[in-house]
This record gives sequence, structure tokens and C-alpha cells, in this order.
Amino acid sequence: DTEVTQTPKHLVMGMTNKKSLKCEQHMGHRAMYWYKQKAKKPPELMFVYSYEKLSINESVPSRFSPECPNSSLLNLHLHALQPEDSALYLCASSLLPRTASSSYNSPLHFGNGTRLTVT
Amino acid sequence: TQLLEQSPQFLSIQEGENLTVYCNSSSVFSSLQWYRQEPGEGPVLLVTVVTGGEVKKLKRLTFQFGDARKDSSLHITAAQPGDTGLYLCAGSPQGGSEKLVFGKGTKLTVNP
Repeated sequence: DTEVTQTPKHLVMGMTNKKSLKCEQHMGHRAMYWYKQKAKKPPELMFVYSYEKLSINESVPSRFSPECPNSSLLNLHLHALQPEDSALYLCASSLLPRTASSSYNSPLHFGNGTRLTVT
Repeated sequence: TQLLEQSPQFLSIQEGENLTVYCNSSSVFSSLQWYRQEPGEGPVLLVTVVTGGEVKKLKRLTFQFGDARKDSSLHITAAQPGDTGLYLCAGSPQGGSEKLVFGKGTKLTVNP
């Protein structure tokens, strides 16, 4: 069982809907991530939260809105999505964010993802 | 921008065969991580290599980090159907970026 829990596992939404993806970890990790993955492709980074603050936004369209209410929770709010946004959305966490003084990035712990279909 | 070229992209072999997956770059990385992703699941960390020339073994899997820390390989001995999955290499860029650099992945299918 993964230690990063994502809900829901599957989501079908219309282009006018508003929905949210949720992610939870209780490992005490202080960095959390949202990735988007298309079939047979590597994960693409969307957002990084370090100590509950947004530290990286990879030029993601505003129809995706992340939120980190506390150190254990990460949400991704969805509004007015397009069919091409259909993908597997993965949440991940790592022990500590990478800083200039870190030797290397902490390994990522991924959830099993939310399979999103936009109709 | 640092890139990781991963090859082959697809690999289909019979049970019992050996295989090697490569991850190459013209840039130096602080570390290399290898992940395996099975259908319907998120990637799972297999190993992290940090030191140039480092070799790590995980049962039938052998991971090597190049001396110059620009490349890495994953060798599987006597592959089994349970090894089927998407293998991803991910590099820690030099300079402290929070963003891992992922290779494009190798889709491995081991047929019984």
C-alpha cells in the first residue's frame, strides 16, 4: 500500500464542472508535488509546495489551482477543463525540499493517482 | 536545460532473458533515481545512486552510475513477468533545483 493517498481514483467531469483532487500523506514530508502523466509517458511536473508554500508553478493554466491547507494535505482544484487535460494526475511527497545546500533531491513517494477524463 | 535520454523506449523479451536500460546525458547530475511504475499505480522508487562509479544491487537488478555522473544503467538478470512495467530514470540537477529531470521511460514487457 502506498503511503500517499489520493482520492478519487477515477473522475469523469464535463468541461463546465468544478471538481477537486485530494492528496494526503502522514510521513512528515515537507515537500509535496502535483504531476500530470499521459499514457506511456513520464510524469510532467505541475506544482511544488515546500513547507506549505508554492515554490514552483510550471506555467500551468489557471484552470488548475493548487492548494496546500497543511503539511499533510494537498488539493488540486479543477475548473473549465479541456478534453486534452484528461490524464493520470499523480501526487508525490518527499522528506525535504531541495535547497541550494542540499546534495541532491530526496526520493519521491507517489500516490496511485487520479485517472481524470474530461468529456 | 538538463536532459536525460533513456533507451530503449520499448522492450519486449521472454522470461529468463537479460536486459539493460540506459539513461544518458551531456550534463552532470548530483544523483540518479530509478523508479518502476506498474499499470494503474504510481512510480515506486527502486534505488538512488549518488557517487560516480557506484554500483547497487537489488536482487536481480543491478544499477550503475557513470564515473562522470552523466549516465546510468539498469541491468536485469533472468527477467520475470513480474518485472513488467515502465522504468523511469530521474536526475537531481546540479544547483539545487527542486525539479527532478525525468527520462522518457522504458516500457518493459516480460512474456512468460
